Amino acid sequence: QQQVKQSPQSLIVQKGGISIINCAYENTAFDYFPWYQQFPGKGPALLIAIRPDVSEKKEGRFTISFNKSAKQFSLHIMDSQPGDSATYFCAASSKAAGNKLTFGGGTRVLVKP
Amino acid sequence: DAGVTQSPTHLIKTRGQQVTLRCSPISGHKSVSWYQQVLGQGPQFIFQYYEKEERGRGNFPDRFSARQFPNYSSELNVNALLLGDSALYLCASTLWGLNTEAFFGQGTRLTVV
Repeated sequence: QQQVKQSPQSLIVQKGGISIINCAYENTAFDYFPWYQQFPGKGPALLIAIRPDVSEKKEGRFTISFNKSAKQFSLHIMDSQPGDSATYFCAASSKAAGNKLTFGGGTRVLVKP
Repeated sequence: DAGVTQSPTHLIKTRGQQVTLRCSPISGHKSVSWYQQVLGQGPQFIFQYYEKEERGRGNFPDRFSARQFPNYSSELNVNALLLGDSALYLCASTLWGLNTEAFFGQGTRLTVV
């Protein structure tokens, strides 16, 4: 069963624009929500992560927004660059389940110059 | 400082054969997890090991097995290969405990023909 649902599956954004990717989860035991960036032929790279005790976290051009009551979280990529073109995965884990990661289906982002 | 290293990077096997994939975690990391990523999908959890003990197992058949060695490196074995086992196999390294950041290797691309 898919416990983390990610949307959209793909998006195209102009250089300098904002990319927004959304994820929804079902398991209220989840207590850690990372985002990973993956380029073709490479493994996922940890981008930014958040815990449910904060509603927003910003690192450079990347921001996570977290809504605990709605069980949703999102990634915003500001000032998108062609080098940001990649597949992005949201994930969730819980200490109770040994911190194994449950991933969303991924969003392929294409930034047009 | 070396990241997570996996070998081999690519592998082609015939149906019914057996395969062994290897992973060396980041120095100081004591936990290794294995994930399967089918093309176009998010990674799926297979196993988690800590201090040579299995700490978690995903929904995979008994054809999949793994172990962790005293130096914290790990092997994933898959017996009686099926065409559907073709995927990118990812190894993730974590410190364990409260630090939940997982860092992935570049993966092993397994093709079963």
